[in-house]
Amino acid sequence: EAQVTQNPRYLITVTGKKLTVTCSQNMNHEYMSWYRQDPGLGLRQIYYSMNVEVTDKGDVPEGYKVSRKEKRNFPLILESPSPNQTSLYFCASSRDPGTGSNEQFFGPGTRLTVL
Amino acid sequence: SQQGEEDPQALSIQEGENATMNCSYKTSINNLQWYRQNSGRGLVHLILIRSNEREKHSGRLRVTLDTSKKSSSLLITASRAADTASYFCATLLRGRRALTFGSGTRLQVQP
Repeated sequence: EAQVTQNPRYLITVTGKKLTVTCSQNMNHEYMSWYRQDPGLGLRQIYYSMNVEVTDKGDVPEGYKVSRKEKRNFPLILESPSPNQTSLYFCASSRDPGTGSNEQFFGPGTRLTVL
Repeated sequence: SQQGEEDPQALSIQEGENATMNCSYKTSINNLQWYRQNSGRGLVHLILIRSNEREKHSGRLRVTLDTSKKSSSLLITASRAADTASYFCATLLRGRRALTFGSGTRLQVQP
């Protein structure tokens, strides 16, 4: 089944404790992206990647890191999480290599709480 | 305000009625997409309309795009309780490499 998977689905952590949220897709998509969703703000893009070893900042990259060592994986790293990073996070992928203009496939989401 | 503003923010209708949601944007786009999100879940792509298209249909969905007014509408005909969800428009701005999402319309379909 074609899908985007994220782990963990739920995470409660404390300020400053490094964490990684994994994202994997099995559709051989070149474009992958991370979003955060907050009430009243819609989805805001954190980082995206157009291909292996190619990543770019989205609209709200501060406090986050990403890597794209393999085509299928695009982990989101919070080196020192803070309470304002409490949010619902989504990973997405798309087959369009250049612009992400084709439909994006979303993972199920990771609900992160930073105390 | 954000690129891709949906209107209304919330809509409640009875099953069988039609639901119309609108999206306005500010700058030139390559395409506009509509997504649905069930509560707390990932977004699901519904339909994509390109900047040179004016109308598109998919099952009970009808999307229009008016580039002169920088607006789009999503019409769901003969709504069902299962259509209850949030609906987002997303625009691909010219020169950008990422979709920009609006804050969504929450649709409640009463059985």
